[in-house]
Amino acid sequence: SAVISQKPSRDICQRGTSLTIQCQVDSQVTMMFWYRQQPGQSLTLIATANQGSEATYESGFVIDKFPISRPNLTFSTLTVSNMSPEDSSIYLCSVGEGRNQPQHFGDGTRLSIL
Amino acid sequence: QKEVEQNSGPLSVPEGAIASLNCTYSDRGSQSFFWYRQYSGKSPELIMSIYSNGDKEDGRFTAQLNKASQYVSLLIRDSQPSDSATYLCAVNYMGTSYDKVIFGPGTSLSVIP
Repeated sequence: SAVISQKPSRDICQRGTSLTIQCQVDSQVTMMFWYRQQPGQSLTLIATANQGSEATYESGFVIDKFPISRPNLTFSTLTVSNMSPEDSSIYLCSVGEGRNQPQHFGDGTRLSIL
Repeated sequence: QKEVEQNSGPLSVPEGAIASLNCTYSDRGSQSFFWYRQYSGKSPELIMSIYSNGDKEDGRFTAQLNKASQYVSLLIRDSQPSDSATYLCAVNYMGTSYDKVIFGPGTSLSVIP
């Protein structure tokens, strides 16, 4: 499966600031996904990132808060904007093997907001 | 609202026993199902995929699927302390142009030496 590199691995940020998380894949993939995992919870899909088009956001997530870029088939970024303590979570990117196939995850970004 | 539910846990089994993890899903149209293992502080790791009714075995792991009952399970034979983790059931929903995976809440498994 693809090797997925996510940066930063962790960060501690001040309230009101923004952080951009990068996800790099070692092969070209059509679909990339961004998830949030709040403490003690399961994974919640934030958005699906297609190359060359706007990301598709899930209910409860908006582009102003979580802008996503997908400039090519191997890279995507997720920005967490105007952060508050409620944004303290693990953010994960994943890639899919194809339609009806499993996804594989990067190591995640552990974000704490003070 | 597409949902995936799992037995809540935590589940504790003695070393060498069989651990049984269960999952139900709401959408009859789902065609692919996955089990992920997540160690504390780590990201989810795929351990099994299953697409057809019946059993699929991979080493000590057996996934079972019953689409009529909308039920998926994972059996871990000869459980080891290294199997202690949270197990996530995931169900794939095929959309028009892309798929969406819904994850269950997870079941925490503890294997006692």
